Amino acid sequence: KQEVTQIPAALSVPEGENLVLNCSFTDSAIYNLQWFRQDPGKGLTSLLLIQSSQREQTSGRLNASLDKSSGRSTLYIAASQPGDSATYLCAVSNAGNMLTFGGGTRLMVKP
Amino acid sequence: NAGVTQTPKFQVLKTGQSMTLQCAQDMNHNSMYWYRQDPGMGLRLIYYSASEGTTDKGEVPNGYNVSRLNKREFSLRLESAAPSQTSVYFCASSADKGTDTQYFGPGTRLTVL
Repeated sequence: KQEVTQIPAALSVPEGENLVLNCSFTDSAIYNLQWFRQDPGKGLTSLLLIQSSQREQTSGRLNASLDKSSGRSTLYIAASQPGDSATYLCAVSNAGNMLTFGGGTRLMVKP
Repeated sequence: NAGVTQTPKFQVLKTGQSMTLQCAQDMNHNSMYWYRQDPGMGLRLIYYSASEGTTDKGEVPNGYNVSRLNKREFSLRLESAAPSQTSVYFCASSADKGTDTQYFGPGTRLTVL
């Protein structure tokens, strides 16, 4: 059974810092990996999707990498802003169409 | 473009009551999903529909039924609600199963007393 772990569970940083969120998964036979953002009381917003054949994806200040063989992904956020404060979730897609989610990293960026 | 919409936003039920959560998407997506989110358990897939006319069980299907009414709509029914079904329910859709970005609705907060 696929298991997805996110470390750290919570992170507090001052505005302007570059930061890295980590995601690991136990079964490397994935179709893709997705990073989502969730604001309190809201739904999930897709940030980046990396197909299994890709190594990284970039969108603005966000960069996600994927090392399928080692079962790891990182989400890099450059020049963090208070508006980046949210919970970040990673999820992997395996055969059978199921997304398995990690527990999330709760990020607080202080002004 | 509304994306994925869910109704109701909030609901309180008594044990044993039934209800249907509604979900609709306007992106012409083939696949739709129902998840529940619980503290400490993360998001778990309840049911999904890879295409109109098909449904399949996810990780936690017990106590739920689903209907893919048409390509746009995918409903989740609780026949006899239990306190263990207190959760936040999210509907999502994607262009195709397995390989595409999933787009989520705003969620339904359900409390079963």
